Amino acid sequence: GAGVSQSPSNKVTEKGKDVELRCDPISGHTALYWYRQSLGQGLEFLIYFQGNSAPDKSGLPSDRFSAERTGGSVSTLTIQRTQQEDSAVYLCASSGSTGAPVKLFFGSGTQLSVL
Amino acid sequence: KQEVTQIPAALSVPEGENLVLNCSFTDSAIYNLQWFRQDPGKGLTSLLLIQSSQREQTSGRLNASLDKSSGRSTLYIAASQPGDSATYLCAAPGPSGTYKYIFGTGTRLKVLA
Repeated sequence: GAGVSQSPSNKVTEKGKDVELRCDPISGHTALYWYRQSLGQGLEFLIYFQGNSAPDKSGLPSDRFSAERTGGSVSTLTIQRTQQEDSAVYLCASSGSTGAPVKLFFGSGTQLSVL
Repeated sequence: KQEVTQIPAALSVPEGENLVLNCSFTDSAIYNLQWFRQDPGKGLTSLLLIQSSQREQTSGRLNASLDKSSGRSTLYIAASQPGDSATYLCAAPGPSGTYKYIFGTGTRLKVLA
């Protein structure tokens, strides 16, 4: 596609519910990243995919968070049993390579609100 | 551990002014640094990427410099315009490699007409 696409753009959920956030990277981009941006905070790294594998999951805040990527393309970030502190903007980025330099292309994000 | 700091947190200037945004990083063993722009409710747009072998990178009215020895980068915006109003973020690679960028909290810029 023309750019990184994320859906939904906004998600309101009740505490304890599960949510799925979707990211469609730029066609052909092998690397995919998830970041979280909380109000007044910088971007927090969550997870990185190279192809379908995730060599670095170190940023996932807890075992309630998981992510997968299929076909080297679409990625889904799942948050189980959501908590109010999960409220944030979840941003996805893709890149055409992992060698330096790496130029990141970001989607518009999903605003998650947990009531 | 890489930490990135941006000063000032917010800036309001009249149209036409030249301005400088600052970015500091603690781990100078980086091979590039990026500057991004974020408009409200939008994702990030890459502005400039400076490789460690470069000292400056220019794009239009934007100029970014990198001084690894002092752990600093600056973004210079010439002849600012209201359309430049946005949050500007810098990002430096973390110790794990090229893919894990550590972001500053940004400078929120408002250019008044």
